[in-house]
Amino acid sequence: AQSVTQLDSHVSVSEGTPVLLRCNYSSSYSPSLFWYVQHPNKGLQLLLKYTSAATLVKGINGFEAEFKKSETSFHLTKPSAHMSDAAEYFCVVSVDYGGATNKLIFGTGTLLAVQP
Amino acid sequence: EPEVTQTPSHQVTQMGQEVILRCVPISNHLYFYWYRQILGQKVEFLVSFYNNEISEKSEIFDDQFSVERPDGSNFTLKIRSTKLEDSAMYFCASSTPGGLKTQYFGPGTRLLVL
Repeated sequence: AQSVTQLDSHVSVSEGTPVLLRCNYSSSYSPSLFWYVQHPNKGLQLLLKYTSAATLVKGINGFEAEFKKSETSFHLTKPSAHMSDAAEYFCVVSVDYGGATNKLIFGTGTLLAVQP
Repeated sequence: EPEVTQTPSHQVTQMGQEVILRCVPISNHLYFYWYRQILGQKVEFLVSFYNNEISEKSEIFDDQFSVERPDGSNFTLKIRSTKLEDSAMYFCASSTPGGLKTQYFGPGTRLLVL
């Protein structure tokens, strides 16, 4: 069965320093992977998605993620954190049985704090 | 940019009451979903909907829950007789046809059952 594990529940960085949010996946076939972000009192916003076309995926707001099959990882990174990046980040795998719809399996989330 | 919208943003109800949560998906999307997030827990899949019928549902989605698309734009989730444990944030999502079926989420409805 497909699943994702987010290795850190909380990450704190200083503004201007790099961000690394870790995610490992489990999938019996080539997965579709996503990162979503949830700012306080807001909905879930798509940051980026892995489609198997390229292992390094660029998303919005300077975030990117690298798919590493050998490590079953899909870590999210950003070279320089901004105060506005403070939010909860979810690593997500899509389960698609070939029907009309798919369903998303969410990780437990990583709360990113950015210190001034 | 088109967005998924949800109403109300907050709903407080008494145990045993019926609630209807409403969603307006992105206009050219054909697939619709409901998820929920109980406070402090993971976001969980409830149900997916396509072509006016349920495509898939989770074990959470029991007979107390129903979904419909009553008028071609709204997509609703009804809970017939709410329980305390139904208190959660409920997210609606929609997606386009195509291989990846990327889902776009609304801002959520926070439901509190007293």
